[in-house]
Amino acid sequence: NAGVTQTPKFQVLKTGQSMTLQCAQDMNHEYMSWYRQDPGMGLRLIHYSVGAGITDQGEVPNGYNVSRSTTEDFPLRLLSAAPSQTSVYFCASSYPTGRSTFGSGTRLTVV
Amino acid sequence: EDKVVQSPLSLVVHEGDTVTLNCSYEVTNFRSLLWYKQEKKAPTFLFMLTSSGIEKKSGRLSSILDKKELSSILNITATQTGDSAIYLCGLDNYGQNFVFGPGTRLSVLP
Repeated sequence: NAGVTQTPKFQVLKTGQSMTLQCAQDMNHEYMSWYRQDPGMGLRLIHYSVGAGITDQGEVPNGYNVSRSTTEDFPLRLLSAAPSQTSVYFCASSYPTGRSTFGSGTRLTVV
Repeated sequence: EDKVVQSPLSLVVHEGDTVTLNCSYEVTNFRSLLWYKQEKKAPTFLFMLTSSGIEKKSGRLSSILDKKELSSILNITATQTGDSAIYLCGLDNYGQNFVFGPGTRLSVLP
């Protein structure tokens, strides 16, 4: 059972480039979320989804897009990368009862 | 805005010490409070608390929720170097979103 799989693990982008962070889960979880983690800031919610076809904004959504066409996949798109988006990104999934399983993270550097 | 505060933000202890990590929140209506341990990579689940006053235990770790005081504590007894990590407290707003605190960075020295 793979759990939550994130790719890539590391990425360096130039300012203005776009890219997609992939997230897939094989636990049939309804809820999926993207977080970013910056030093001293804990985890901050970017976007989340409560089911296929349904997405909503979290605390820090600007500069990011998501879609949820299937239960399994929840990609995060950076439209035009900025140095302020340098961070570690985590994808998580859960059943409605709340306990989340996290992916191993993507370390993104924007230069 | 929902807010979770953790204290201390950083803590250095020696092996064998007992530590208490604090989590306080401003959300009054939530489904559960969760504690996670984060070492080098993804956070791993420790406890989920839904009822006030009921202690959850796992080995040397225990946690309790106090809904009157809008807080939770995580206790670690007889600390070991393997307990060194960031401990995250988060609230589940009925699946709408999770709100996390900044974490407590615990360093256990041999």
